[in-house]
Amino acid sequence: KNQVEQSPQSLIILEGKNCTLQCNYTVSPFSNLRWYKQDTGRGPVSLTIMTFSENTKSNGRYTATLDADTKQSSLHITASQLSDSASYICVVSDRGSTLGRLYFGRGTQLTVWP
Amino acid sequence: EADIYQTPRYLVIGTGKKITLECSQTMGHDKMYWYQQDPGMELHLIHYSYGVNSTEKGDLSSESTVSRIRTEHFPLTLESARPSHTSQYLCASSPRRDQRAPDTQYFGPGTRLTVL
Repeated sequence: KNQVEQSPQSLIILEGKNCTLQCNYTVSPFSNLRWYKQDTGRGPVSLTIMTFSENTKSNGRYTATLDADTKQSSLHITASQLSDSASYICVVSDRGSTLGRLYFGRGTQLTVWP
Repeated sequence: EADIYQTPRYLVIGTGKKITLECSQTMGHDKMYWYQQDPGMELHLIHYSYGVNSTEKGDLSSESTVSRIRTEHFPLTLESARPSHTSQYLCASSPRRDQRAPDTQYFGPGTRLTVL
């Protein structure tokens, strides 16, 4: 069973609308959580990173939240644009190894329609 | 935009061929990684390296091999490609220590491999 679960698997919204993507994880011991954006045919690009003590982090129209007690995170996108169409991947890092092992979710495929 | 490059971007080859996927980064990062990603699935770590002359196998069993002779270069080789190797291969790198953003990995654009 994957230690990082994301929902929904896919989402279609109209341009200008807001949306929220969810991430639940079981990775322990927890180090940090990132949200990556992956455009089709490209590598993932980091949007936000949050450590245990942070519960919200913004990057422009992207706002990520973290509840380390319930092991849940969300990514809220405000005033969506066509360029937001991509896969959004939740990635959790553990503290248990010098490698800084990353655990990847399968991503939420977001499509923004005009 | 991260300074990490992968070539080729797309490759279609026949079964049994030997191939090498190239990955280079100009950021001086010590750690480098290879991931395999199938559509709709999570990234799976297949190889990683802490530095020159250091290579380790990742979580996902892979018939590929890697080498790290220079800091900036981390090629992946398949001695005899099979259709089951068809996938997207992503290379990444990270600095030894970055307290502002620990464990952040910077990804290349990927190589889409198709084995016929």
